[in-house]
Amino acid sequence: GAVVSQHPSWVICKSGTSVKIECRSLDFQATTMFWYRQFPKQSLMLMATSNEGSKATYEQGVEKDKFLINHASLTLSTLTVTSAHPEDSSFYICSADPGGSPTDTQYFGPGTRLTVL
Amino acid sequence: GQNIDQPTEMTATEGAIVQINCTYQTSGFNGLFWYQQHAGEAPTFLSYNVLDGLEEKGRFSSFLSRSKGYSYLLLKELQMKDSASYLCVKGDAGKSTFGDGTTLTVKP
Repeated sequence: GAVVSQHPSWVICKSGTSVKIECRSLDFQATTMFWYRQFPKQSLMLMATSNEGSKATYEQGVEKDKFLINHASLTLSTLTVTSAHPEDSSFYICSADPGGSPTDTQYFGPGTRLTVL
Repeated sequence: GQNIDQPTEMTATEGAIVQINCTYQTSGFNGLFWYQQHAGEAPTFLSYNVLDGLEEKGRFSSFLSRSKGYSYLLLKELQMKDSASYLCVKGDAGKSTFGDGTTLTVKP
């Protein structure tokens, strides 16, 4: 159980275009999903916390108008990188929290590798 | 990252035992997690500690001392596939704070 999928697994786009990444919890409902970014040889950095039915909470330094998050249902959150630039090239990982678990374990998606040319 | 300290790199021999230490700020503590991350992949959950003591799970064990803000991950009978980054993660009211990870290289 507790499978999280991401789509696409990788994407290459031109500078200035927008890219949407989907995160789905396949066998559980997630009231909270998290979006992370990871640059090569660095740790995961939390970008934002996405709560179903409400606005996402962004970490300091993350532009909410550039990284649009929509958590439309209990099984789907999307991250849209608007007007992507080469510096946005990174590994984007989502995780989902089933909630109600005392362990507060997050289940991670496989990640999406974004390359902006 | 963010006041979680763990060694950057470690090297060990196949079949040996290795201990990866982690210290963290005790404020806002809601559990200590260890994740394994192979290069180019998302992290996978290894262990969770919320009470003091040792949790054993097969070849992997994790220890926690809340008063000292200290945890370690113990890997026994190392295998080549254990070469990965090991992330110490502090849980804090539904939000996780990741350490920078320890890159473990297992040599034959």
